[in-house]
Amino acid sequence: QQQVKQSPQSLIVQKGGISIINCAYENTAFDYFPWYQQFPGKGPALLIAIRPDVSEKKEGRFTISFNKSAKQFSLHIMDSQPGDSATYFCAASNVGYGQNFVFGPGTRLSVLP
Amino acid sequence: GAVVSQHPSWVICKSGTSVKIECRSLDFQATTMFWYRQFPKQSLMLMATSNEGSKATYEQGVEKDKFLINHASLTLSTLTVTSAHPEDSSFYICSARGSGEQFFGPGTRLTVL
Repeated sequence: QQQVKQSPQSLIVQKGGISIINCAYENTAFDYFPWYQQFPGKGPALLIAIRPDVSEKKEGRFTISFNKSAKQFSLHIMDSQPGDSATYFCAASNVGYGQNFVFGPGTRLSVLP
Repeated sequence: GAVVSQHPSWVICKSGTSVKIECRSLDFQATTMFWYRQFPKQSLMLMATSNEGSKATYEQGVEKDKFLINHASLTLSTLTVTSAHPEDSSFYICSARGSGEQFFGPGTRLTVL
């Protein structure tokens, strides 16, 4: 029940296209859903996060869509750029309970020039 | 976002020696710090959770006598890999949490010869 599933495992997108990464969870107690971006040899960096009281959050080219009833959330990267090529991890946590984050397995995104 | 630093960024040591990795939250007080291990092309694997002033909680399968964690202050946690062996070679990442969001350090690449 603590698992967070993430798909696809890898994704190749043309420059200017839309990258979409999906995650699903089981634990309905989760109340915080962040996305992290990680470049090779670097630590993960918080990209954008959402709480279950909203269905969508947008920051620049990055948008999180959240479907509470389906227990799914997704990351959309609009106008994808080669510099977006990285590994993306979704995560979930019950922050109010001080719970550690549960991470998805990651998606390797390659944006072709 | 908040800044978490790690030192050193990479270290090479001989088998049997001990290595200490420092993790600092630079601009916030971290009530909880986490240590992760990441193998190439894989997700982050939580090793242990530490709260300031108390003993760390280790995940199942992680040897607490081998991976010593000290969280002496609200801004510093250390991970000591004792009697390191080649199989301990990995990318170690710390993370710090203050009021909800979790921020990651840049990681430490450990190579044991």
